[in-house]
Amino acid sequence: NAGVMQNPRHLVRRRGQEARLRCSPMKGHSHVYWYRQLPEEGLKFMVYLQKENIIDESGMPKERFSAEFPKEGPSILRIQQVVRGDSAAYFCASSGQGMNTEAFFGQGTRLTVV
Amino acid sequence: AQKVTQAQTEISVVEKEDVTLDCVYETRDTTYYLFWYKQPPSGELVFLIRRNSFDEQNEISGRYSWNFQKSTSSFNFTITASQVVDSAVYFCALSLYNQGGKLIFGQGTELSVKP
Repeated sequence: NAGVMQNPRHLVRRRGQEARLRCSPMKGHSHVYWYRQLPEEGLKFMVYLQKENIIDESGMPKERFSAEFPKEGPSILRIQQVVRGDSAAYFCASSGQGMNTEAFFGQGTRLTVV
Repeated sequence: AQKVTQAQTEISVVEKEDVTLDCVYETRDTTYYLFWYKQPPSGELVFLIRRNSFDEQNEISGRYSWNFQKSTSSFNFTITASQVVDSAVYFCALSLYNQGGKLIFGQGTELSVKP
């Protein structure tokens, strides 16, 4: 009974490169949430997706960031042309059907931009 | 708008002391959930508790206990007889009834338990 799987656990990118973070939700879960944790801060909501749909992207930066959750495969958080300020831990959570079901978090991906 | 405030940035105690982590939340909704998570130095988020707004009963789980008071919009967390392994950052969070896994987190309290 695998939990939420995120990979890679650690990712190093040079400024200007692209970063792709993957999240495989728990089996049977169709809702995915991405959060960002900047150093010394709490987690901030970025985006909420269901299969093939973005439901709420109110926390996504307007540029360079995008997210998808295709019909098949993991959810992807994509950061284009990374800058040092993108260095953070990115957490994914998943939940089942219904808005009241509990969300479970993955172990996070730590992105370092050098 | 919703907000979660953890006024204590850092707390340091000696092993076996009791410690209470404060959490104050703001929302106009009447139905919501409150959470506590632990983030040890390894970085993962460990779920500790979820409580809905209609259940004000205090909860105890081993050395952990939670005091939910709607009158003061607080959801405080107490660790009894703290241990070194309790050293971590603890986050309080809030979600609205119709927003599933969209959580609003506090800034976190870093607890250091010294031997």
